[in-house]
This record gives sequence, structure tokens and C-alpha cells, in this order.
Amino acid sequence: QSALTQPASVSGSPGQSITISCTGTSSDVGGYNFVSWYQQHPGKAPKLMIYDVSEGPSGVSNRFSGSKSGNTASLTISGLQAEDEADYYCCSYAGSGTLVFGGGTKLTVL
Amino acid sequence: QVQLVQSGAEVKKPGASVKVSCKASGYTFTTYYMHWVRQAPGQGLEWLGIINPSGGSTTYAQKFQGRVTMTRDTSTSTVYMELSSLRSEDTALYFCARASIPQGGGVPPDYWGQGTPVTVSS
Repeated sequence: QSALTQPASVSGSPGQSITISCTGTSSDVGGYNFVSWYQQHPGKAPKLMIYDVSEGPSGVSNRFSGSKSGNTASLTISGLQAEDEADYYCCSYAGSGTLVFGGGTKLTVL
Repeated sequence: QVQLVQSGAEVKKPGASVKVSCKASGYTFTTYYMHWVRQAPGQGLEWLGIINPSGGSTTYAQKFQGRVTMTRDTSTSTVYMELSSLRSEDTALYFCARASIPQGGGVPPDYWGQGTPVTVSS
């Protein structure tokens, strides 16, 4: 189980939209509609932002959305705000009850 | 409210074992699987495995097979993660995290513990 591939960093200005990609294989991202996304601020535990590719947990802003095409999933944040600056991790089901995380992406709000 | 409270920081020598606990409250303990995830300093998240608190069955990441053991005590609503043959690369913050759906073995976690720092150093 190799880690999913994410860009190391992305940036955007307040109000803009950004997209973070997460590339896996047909054994994980491409094989199941079970991709989730986490937001982690420094010194804090991760927070679930998206599950099942595009579903948002209650209480999470609808500025966060997810999608998937083939072996690549994406997280889009619209109307970027200062508090969105954080690390973001994708996570996919990888079969046989296992999960695999991405390497993480640092989002900077300019 | 759901709470996961983990044991305190540990310092271990290479070759030793460490056992981290995670006490759950605010929900029916046996209904939700529990994940263990670690994060090395300045690094990303890494999935170690999952335990079903109801029957005690476990699934481990291939990388940790043979080195990790997850157990539970239903009388105290506590899960445990023991990692053996420690090396410096195991220095990390270890999290327990509850699966987001009842009886969901492969579902992602929603509630997380505060993390337990484990340092491996001679």
C-alpha cells in the first residue's frame, strides 16, 4: 500500500477557488467510491471534511466539495478564507478493510 | 458527546515496545470500529490498522504486520495499540480515531483522540 500522491503545496487568494488532487491506483482511489478528505491545522487532530468522494458531514461548510475521475480524486475549496489555511489529506479505502492516506498538501491563503 | 482520551507521552529505547491506550465515551463502544493512525514530526498521516471493539477482530496495514497488536477491553471502553521492535523511525504522534459509521470496518474516521507522542531514542 503506497501513499496516495498529492501536491506538496497549493496557494490562493481570499475569495478564489483552489483544487487539490489525490492520485492513486485502481486498487484504491479508482476501485472504490470511498475517498475522504481531512483538514489539519497545526497542533490539532485532523477534521473530516468530505467522505464517499463528495459527501459533506453535517457542520462542514459547503464551500468544500469533492469529486473523482478514474484514479484521481479532487478537493475543491471555493470562496477561499484565511481560516482555510491548513494541511489537507486525502484518504481512500484500499480493499480488505484497509485505508491509505495521501502525503498531504499545505494550503496557503495569500 | 463523543470523547477519545489517550494515554500520555512515552519515551522508549530502540528495540523496546510501547502500548498506547484510548478510552472512549459518549457512545456505545462496541458499535464503532476504531482506527489507529500515526504522524511523524512534520510528516503526513499513516494508517496502522483497525479493531472491531465488538469481537476484537483486527486488520493491520501490511507495513506493520507482525509488529503491531490492537486489543480492546469492553469493560472499560478502552482500545490499545502495542508496537514492538521500535526504531527511531517510529517516533511519531499516535492517534486513535473512531470510524464514522456503525459497524463500518473500512469507513474513514470522524472523531479523533488528542494523540500520544511516542519518542524512540537511545
